[in-house]
Amino acid sequence: QVQLVQSGSELKKPGASVQVSCKPSGYSLTSYAINWVRQAPGQGLEWMGWINTNTGDPTYAQGFTGRFVFSLDTSVSTAFLQISSLKAEDTAIYYCARDQSGYSWFDIWGQGTRVIVSS
Amino acid sequence: QTVVTQEPSFSVSPGGTVTLTCGLSSGSVSVGNYPTWYQQTPGQAPRTLIHDTRFRSSGVPDRFSGSILGNKAALTIAGAQADDECDYYCVLYLGSGISMFGGGTRLTVL
Repeated sequence: QVQLVQSGSELKKPGASVQVSCKPSGYSLTSYAINWVRQAPGQGLEWMGWINTNTGDPTYAQGFTGRFVFSLDTSVSTAFLQISSLKAEDTAIYYCARDQSGYSWFDIWGQGTRVIVSS
Repeated sequence: QTVVTQEPSFSVSPGGTVTLTCGLSSGSVSVGNYPTWYQQTPGQAPRTLIHDTRFRSSGVPDRFSGSILGNKAALTIAGAQADDECDYYCVLYLGSGISMFGGGTRLTVL
């Protein structure tokens, strides 16, 4: 079964960092780009950007530069989202998604990782 | 800054037809924006309904269809059912590797 498996929920204090993992199952990580999508509580979906899983080159949406880093570890076939200097407004569910076409056709989604930032 | 626009909410009667739209603040939506539509029910990850303007994803009923209407992308739901009541999002490819979601439409079936 083709799926993306994400890491579990995180509770972090403001100023800390968090890393969310996203591991494909049933297909090779390098076959499709991985996109990241944020959904704050009660809000809509926000496209954060994507990572080229062949080259490791990331592209970030406006508003997701600086504190947000997309990376890969091909030795464990996993994509990562790291967020540093966490703020309360980073509280959200973070999804990874496979881009089937290269034009935002996200055909496979991870189950989402809830990140809560609270003192 | 470009904004992708969607109706915040819409209502449809059971069995009725509704068309949700997806526009661009800076101009017209075309097939070159590869409009994709997602459906999200509470507590679940989104699922693809329509990709590349008009192509239904596997398993999506043919009650759902996508098109370009005027200067917007459109998602038409025919024969609305109670379980169609949820959130619908469009995403547009803006070029240079950049995409953007619309704010979403909450559909009520009543």
